[in-house]
Amino acid sequence: AQSVTQLGSHVSVSEGALVLLRCNYSSSVPPYLFWYVQYPNQGLQLLLKYTSAATLVKGINGFEAEFKKSETSFHLTKPSAHMSDAAEYFCAVILNSGYSTLTFGKGTMLLVSP
Amino acid sequence: DAGVIQSPRHEVTEMGQEVTLRCKPISGHNSLFWYRQTMMRGLELLIYFNNNVPIDDSGMPEDRFSAKMPNASFSTLKIQPSEPRDSAVYFCASSLDYSLPYGYTFGSGTRLTVV
Repeated sequence: AQSVTQLGSHVSVSEGALVLLRCNYSSSVPPYLFWYVQYPNQGLQLLLKYTSAATLVKGINGFEAEFKKSETSFHLTKPSAHMSDAAEYFCAVILNSGYSTLTFGKGTMLLVSP
Repeated sequence: DAGVIQSPRHEVTEMGQEVTLRCKPISGHNSLFWYRQTMMRGLELLIYFNNNVPIDDSGMPEDRFSAKMPNASFSTLKIQPSEPRDSAVYFCASSLDYSLPYGYTFGSGTRLTVV
């Protein structure tokens, strides 16, 4: 079985500030990890994914995440927040052995103030 | 590719009525998933199909919910009779094959309101 925990249902930053969204996972076998973004009234869009290659993964819109096995973490970061980054972000996990389904965290709403 | 297409985008219905949500997956994707999103429970997997065959429907909340996939390009999620607590956003997603650990592509969702 696998699960993810996202710390903080809401994160507020100022425009230009560092964005850090936290995700910890639990998995019985090595996982693949994903971050999705959901803009208001839209579906989920894939930001980036970790699939056991490089531990530092770069995604769209300047986001990146680092897989840290020792900490069972996959935190999402962006050096400088833009107003357009305001959205809900979901961390998700799937077993790399296949034959499993994507399990999502509860989501973190990112608020960006001018 | 047009992506995963869901219809309708919004549905408002009265309690007790039948509701049918529709989904067209990405061509070539063998697996299709139905999720429900609510404030209280987040994203829940309801049911998924592989090669048009239901694999696991343990997430379907009650017998009032049913899903079908008559062919590779179409799936429906039906609620009969609908209740106010069914109000949520329902997402359809597809992937190449659930035997592979790939991410999913999501549709824009159907916002269901039962009054």
